[in-house]
Amino acid sequence: RKEVEQDPGPFNVPEGATVAFNCTYSNSASQSFFWYRQDCRKEPKLLMSVYSSGNEDGRFTAQLNRASQYISLLIRDSKLSDSATYLCAVNTGTDKLIFGTGTRLQVFP
Amino acid sequence: DARVTQTPRHKVTEMGQEVTMRCQPILGHNTVFWYRQTMMQGLELLAYFRNRAPLDDSGMPKDRFSAEMPDATLATLKIQPSEPRDSAVYFCASGLGGRGEQFFGPGTRLTVL
Repeated sequence: RKEVEQDPGPFNVPEGATVAFNCTYSNSASQSFFWYRQDCRKEPKLLMSVYSSGNEDGRFTAQLNRASQYISLLIRDSKLSDSATYLCAVNTGTDKLIFGTGTRLQVFP
Repeated sequence: DARVTQTPRHKVTEMGQEVTMRCQPILGHNTVFWYRQTMMQGLELLAYFRNRAPLDDSGMPKDRFSAEMPDATLATLKIQPSEPRDSAVYFCASGLGGRGEQFFGPGTRLTVL
């Protein structure tokens, strides 16, 4: 079993839709969690950190469920510009991040 | 606007040649990471440094890859000799260590013919 798993998608959604991705992790000692966005042929860019209490940044909401060992990313009112691959990353207590393979989102008009 | 820089952005070389990739981390960051990304494998950690000391290079093929940090503003990744299977995008990232975020450079797209 991989340490961090994501549904590769693609998720094809119309503009204005709400879409949610999950990311499961296997190490219960994991301590911090992040969502990155990666556009085609670009580097991953930090989208948001995921806090225990959940956090929101505009149309984006991240949640952590420690009991079930997953994090989620909710995107409301999807825009064409949200089309990208979304990577989750998990820190297990060292400096290192373990990345999922990403979930591809395609928003269509 | 602080960011990680990498050179070269693209490199095409022939099998057997030496390849050197360079990274300048964000000023003040004390951890530097080298990743490789392919369609098949996703993002793989090759090596990382904290305060310029190599802490983990278990992801790197030891016989042909080497990573160094000659000073706090420069990290290098060398492949010698290069092979076609090394074709990938190589990203450098830096951070403040601990449980914090990492910030990625634009990557070096390597093609080995």
